[in-house]
Amino acid sequence: EDQVTQSPEALRLQEGESSSLNCSYTVSGLRGLFWYRQDPGKGPEFLFTLYSAGEEKEKERLKATLTKKESFLHITAPKPEDSATYLCAVQDKMDSNYQLIWGAGTKLIIKP
Amino acid sequence: KAGVTQTPRYLIKTRGQQVTLSCSPISGHRSVSWYQQTPGQGLQFLFEYFSETQRNKGNFPGRFSGRQFSNSRSEMNVSTLELGDSALYLCASGSPAGGRETQYFGPGTRLLVL
Repeated sequence: EDQVTQSPEALRLQEGESSSLNCSYTVSGLRGLFWYRQDPGKGPEFLFTLYSAGEEKEKERLKATLTKKESFLHITAPKPEDSATYLCAVQDKMDSNYQLIWGAGTKLIIKP
Repeated sequence: KAGVTQTPRYLIKTRGQQVTLSCSPISGHRSVSWYQQTPGQGLQFLFEYFSETQRNKGNFPGRFSGRQFSNSRSEMNVSTLELGDSALYLCASGSPAGGRETQYFGPGTRLLVL
């Protein structure tokens, strides 16, 4: 059964303190892995898509990496505005309908 | 390019009533997915429409239904509302290309059932 697990559930950091969020997945074959950011009461905002092991993508202070079993979202020198819930989702290559399997999210709090 | 839009943004209903939510996808996108999000359950998939056909369905009761029009706009209907239906309802649109599809979300409709 396809499954996505995100850890930790919550992470509190001081401004400037770098860290990583983890997304581990189990699928028959990976079509794509997606990272989203969600602010309270708003819709998730698309950040990255990763398709194959070894792939990396960057955007400002965020860098996403992918292995065959997990993805990391590295946050370098975070600022308070990076506080949000970060969601990970995968698409199974065996699913012709592109349905997303979602993790529960990591709530990130950056203290000034 | 305009993003995904959802109307209304906020709704207050009472138990037993029904509600219709609307979603306009990004121009050119043919796939629309609906999700329910509550603090305790996270993102729960309701259903997905592609070219006016329901392509996928989650594990929700028949009170939840949807449809998609020829212009790709989609509506979701919930009949006989229950207190537990209070949630943020999210719509996402996408367009498959080359075996890949990324979903882009709207701002959501906050439904409160009293």
